[in-house]
Amino acid sequence: EVQLVESGGGLVQPGGSLRLSCAASGFTFSSYWVHWVRQAPGKGLVWVSRIDSDGSSIIYADSVKGRFTISRDNAKNTLYLQMNSLRDEDTAVYYCAREIRGDDSFDIWGQGTMVTVSS
Amino acid sequence: SYELTQPPSVSVSPGQIASITCSGDKLGDKYACWYQQRPGQSPVLVIYQDTKRPSGIPERFSGSNSGNTATLTISGTQAMDEADYYCQAWDTSTANWVFGGGTKLTVL
Repeated sequence: EVQLVESGGGLVQPGGSLRLSCAASGFTFSSYWVHWVRQAPGKGLVWVSRIDSDGSSIIYADSVKGRFTISRDNAKNTLYLQMNSLRDEDTAVYYCAREIRGDDSFDIWGQGTMVTVSS
Repeated sequence: SYELTQPPSVSVSPGQIASITCSGDKLGDKYACWYQQRPGQSPVLVIYQDTKRPSGIPERFSGSNSGNTATLTISGTQAMDEADYYCQAWDTSTANWVFGGGTKLTVL
């Protein structure tokens, strides 16, 4: 079965750090671009970051640039998001998503992991 | 930055046609896609490249995109189609992926 499984969420104080992981299975992870997308409670989807198949090209939304770092380990079939200098407004469910090759849409999503930034 | 605008809510009677719009500057020049998100669940891709349906998505879901507006159409709407729907496109100027604000579809 093709799937993505996120982990690493939790409660963190403002200014703190957290690292999210996304484990891929059922497909050739190293062939796909992958993304992080977040959703604040009761709000809509917001794109966060994208990494290409070998990690050589990375893009961030302005809201997280300089604070978040996306990376991947193709040998471990795992995507990461290192989040530093966390703010209240970073509170959200974080999803990893696979991009359809040659397209700009996301065909596989994980179940999400909740990040709560609060003192 | 590029923005996609959706109506906050749409209501439809069972068996009728539901149309959800997504507006953006020259959206027709880009590919639009649509996601369905039921309460407490992850998003599911229902339309990509304006009109294509992924495997497993019922034929009652269709899409179009022209000018400044993309439209998701659900024919013969069923109670199980009640969900939030999000449009999405890629903004060439910022190389960012952009989502619409979402539309809550109510089937009543």
